[in-house]
Amino acid sequence: DTEVTQTPKHLVMGMTNKKSLKCEQHMGHRAMYWYKQKAKKPPELMFVYSYEKLSINESVPSRFSPECPNSSLLNLHLHALQPEDSALYLCASSPPGSTGELFFGEGSRLTVL
Amino acid sequence: RKEVEQDPGPFNVPEGATVAFNCTYSNSASQSFFWYRQDCRKEPKLLMSVYSSGNEDGRFTAQLNRASQYISLLIRDSKLSDSATYLCVVLTGGFKTIFGAGTRLFVKA
Repeated sequence: DTEVTQTPKHLVMGMTNKKSLKCEQHMGHRAMYWYKQKAKKPPELMFVYSYEKLSINESVPSRFSPECPNSSLLNLHLHALQPEDSALYLCASSPPGSTGELFFGEGSRLTVL
Repeated sequence: RKEVEQDPGPFNVPEGATVAFNCTYSNSASQSFFWYRQDCRKEPKLLMSVYSSGNEDGRFTAQLNRASQYISLLIRDSKLSDSATYLCVVLTGGFKTIFGAGTRLFVKA
């Protein structure tokens, strides 16, 4: 079982809705990541937080807004999404000193109507 | 040129076969290398890290060739349960982990 928990597992939203994806880990990891994965494609890095500060933003549209309230939590706020944003959104964390070893949650499967 | 390239396959092999996957990367300053496994509609899971000296974990052997900028994964005595997509992952700097497109493996009885 994964130690990174993501909620909700499934989300359907309209283009005018505002929703949030949540991610939680209690492994003491200080780096947390959001990835987007489309069907039959690899995960694409969106954001990285290190010690609760935004470290990487891979030119993601502003309709995606990350937030890291504390070292255990990571949110992704969604607003005015497009149908092409439908995908699996994966949260991951990595232990200190080992930034390539990613522990993924099961993902939130998002459908934008 | 993509930063990390893999043959997408699929590789169809019988049980007990040995199969090898390769992956090339473009950034010579890349720092760390990994193989992940992803089952259908599941999250990726770390299979093994890859070291310059090569490393082995049971039936799995990983190799890194920095001069030629490629990494490999060898699976011996394939099992049905090895059927999955194998993702090559490269850490290019800081927290930037880049995934290859993945290689699909089907092991058949």
